[in-house]
Amino acid sequence: EIVMTQSPATLSVFPGERATLSCRASQSVSNKLAWYQQKPGQAPRLLIYGASIRATGIPARFSGSESGTEFTLTINSVQSEDLALYYCQQYHNWPGTFGLGSKVEIK
Amino acid sequence: EVQLVESGGGLIPPGGSLRLSCVASGFMFSDHWMNWVRQPPGKGLEWVGRLNSGGTGSHYSDSVRGRFTISRDNAKNTLYLEMNNLRVEDTALYYCVTRLTTDASLDHWGPGTLVTVSS
Repeated sequence: EIVMTQSPATLSVFPGERATLSCRASQSVSNKLAWYQQKPGQAPRLLIYGASIRATGIPARFSGSESGTEFTLTINSVQSEDLALYYCQQYHNWPGTFGLGSKVEIK
Repeated sequence: EVQLVESGGGLIPPGGSLRLSCVASGFMFSDHWMNWVRQPPGKGLEWVGRLNSGGTGSHYSDSVRGRFTISRDNAKNTLYLEMNNLRVEDTALYYCVTRLTTDASLDHWGPGTLVTVSS
């Protein structure tokens, strides 16, 4: 089973700042990497798939990138509504495994 | 609009059985794989299992294989999760999820139904 490691566990940012979240896969997942946003009391929402493709309706301030087995989710100009948990997930191999999540707090 | 609505959750003692349902609308249900993903209270996500469009091929996580069975009724646009020999560690919010976008992962989620396994 592929292990996904996310960092940091918590990130605190001011509105308007950039937030950078990382995710590392224990082995190659090609570009089969997704990012999800989960707000309190809600189901997860797909933000990014294929490592860098924004899902339908996702604002342009969210972007994804990859370098080997290292993946990054960047939120440019964080808004108050971006307060949430962010999970990465590989879907290269079954079972598609999730990281433990990174919490974004707004200062 | 795509909608997935789960039901059937509740409080069940260890060793018991429960069947969850998920009614889908807003897309051609019979054309798509369907999935169950769960989330224990305050914890992360686990992909429990998936079933192909015709209901003939499935995959399960190691933690539920042999105890859980996913099935579907394409005429009723409904997905099921039959859970047997439930354990305390199966306590979670269970989401019905699908993928409608080519090459994406899980792009449409229901709100979930809570299963609590406790004596």
